Amino acid sequence: AQSVTQLDSQVPVFEEAPVELRCNYSSSVSVYLFWYVQYPNQGLQLLLKYLSGSTLVKGINGFEAEFNKSQTSFHLRKPSVHISDTAEYFCAVSVYSSASKIIFGSGTRLSIRP
Amino acid sequence: GAGVSQSPRYKVAKRGQDVALRCDPISGHVSLFWYQQALGQGPEFLTYFQNEAQLDKSGLPSDRFFAERPEGSVSTLKIQRTQQEDSAVYLCASSLVGRSSGNTIYFGEGSWLTVV
Repeated sequence: AQSVTQLDSQVPVFEEAPVELRCNYSSSVSVYLFWYVQYPNQGLQLLLKYLSGSTLVKGINGFEAEFNKSQTSFHLRKPSVHISDTAEYFCAVSVYSSASKIIFGSGTRLSIRP
Repeated sequence: GAGVSQSPRYKVAKRGQDVALRCDPISGHVSLFWYQQALGQGPEFLTYFQNEAQLDKSGLPSDRFFAERPEGSVSTLKIQRTQQEDSAVYLCASSLVGRSSGNTIYFGEGSWLTVV
């Protein structure tokens, strides 16, 4: 079975500071990896995904994530955050052979201080 | 509309009442998913359709939960005899193609269910 761990439930940062949201996964088979963002009272929106190839993935809104197979991690980073980045961020995995399930972590709430 | 549409957006149900939640996926999308998101948690998988076929319902928490997609487009999630623990946001999502788990999945804004 697969699982996703987001170690930080909340991350407060100052505006224009860098941020890293941590994600670790567990799987005995190869997986695809995703980061989704959920703004208040809205649905989930895909930020970026790793399928194969380069381990550094760039997404929307200036976010990027790096796949580290040996550490089973897929941390999300942004060099300079804005107030508009305030949201809940979810890391997720799906298995190559499964068309159906995306398994989500419990989420990290990013709060930006002016 | 261009996105996944869900209705109602908000539903308050008395315990024991039956509810039905509707999902209109993006036109032409083959795959449709239902997720349950409890307060402060990540979404939990409920069920998956490819066209009208329900290929995976392993996440449905009990036989009170039932989903259908009879014509391969609109889907309905029905919860019978609602209980307080059913209070959650129910998210519907769709993707263009079928069996390829790397495809982008588009989520609706969710139906917020509160059971009192």
